[in-house]
Amino acid sequence: ILNVEQSPQSLHVQEGDSTNFTCSFPSSNFYALHWYRWETAKSPEALFVMTLNGDEKKKGRISATLNTKEGYSYLYIKGSQPEDSATYLCAFDNFNKFYFGSGTKLNVKP
Amino acid sequence: DSGVTQTPKHLITATGQRVTLRCSPRSGDLSVYWYQQSLDQGLQFLIQYYNGEERAKGNILERFSAQQFPDLHSELNLSSLELGDSALYFCASSAGQGTQETQYFGPGTRLLVL
Repeated sequence: ILNVEQSPQSLHVQEGDSTNFTCSFPSSNFYALHWYRWETAKSPEALFVMTLNGDEKKKGRISATLNTKEGYSYLYIKGSQPEDSATYLCAFDNFNKFYFGSGTKLNVKP
Repeated sequence: DSGVTQTPKHLITATGQRVTLRCSPRSGDLSVYWYQQSLDQGLQFLIQYYNGEERAKGNILERFSAQQFPDLHSELNLSSLELGDSALYFCASSAGQGTQETQYFGPGTRLLVL
């Protein structure tokens, strides 16, 4: 079983703060790294699929970077809003086998 | 709404029973994935089907089986149910064979085994 770790486990920020969290994964047999946003009582929603070392992707105020050589990805949220409150999950894609981290639970206070 | 549908939404059954969960992928998607979210574990990948064929297998128990039909809908069969099988079961779909593709998750089926 591959180990995918996310940190921190939870984060409480004020509206307007920028924040970031980490996903660590094995640096071998890498095919892709998936980021998801998961709101309570809903299902995971895909944010990014990252495939190349050095990849940077952006969607609105959310961006992500990827370092496959050292086995980590960062997710950044600029100017957090209450609607950003959710659990952010990463999944290591080992050629069609997916290993999920336990997520970072973000709470943005108005 | 991701376009992926799952039925039923909720299922309550007893130990030793057998249940079938159904998933319809987004229109045009050929791959279906099944995941299990239990209380004590995170999201676990169970199995993937692509265009009717099994493509990848994760932590799926031998008591569980799945298939994908010619119309591309998929069913996950859980048999000899145990208390520990109580979980939220998601299916997801993607357009092609899977690796490096965006997956779209359905709303899930919540299974309670009593």
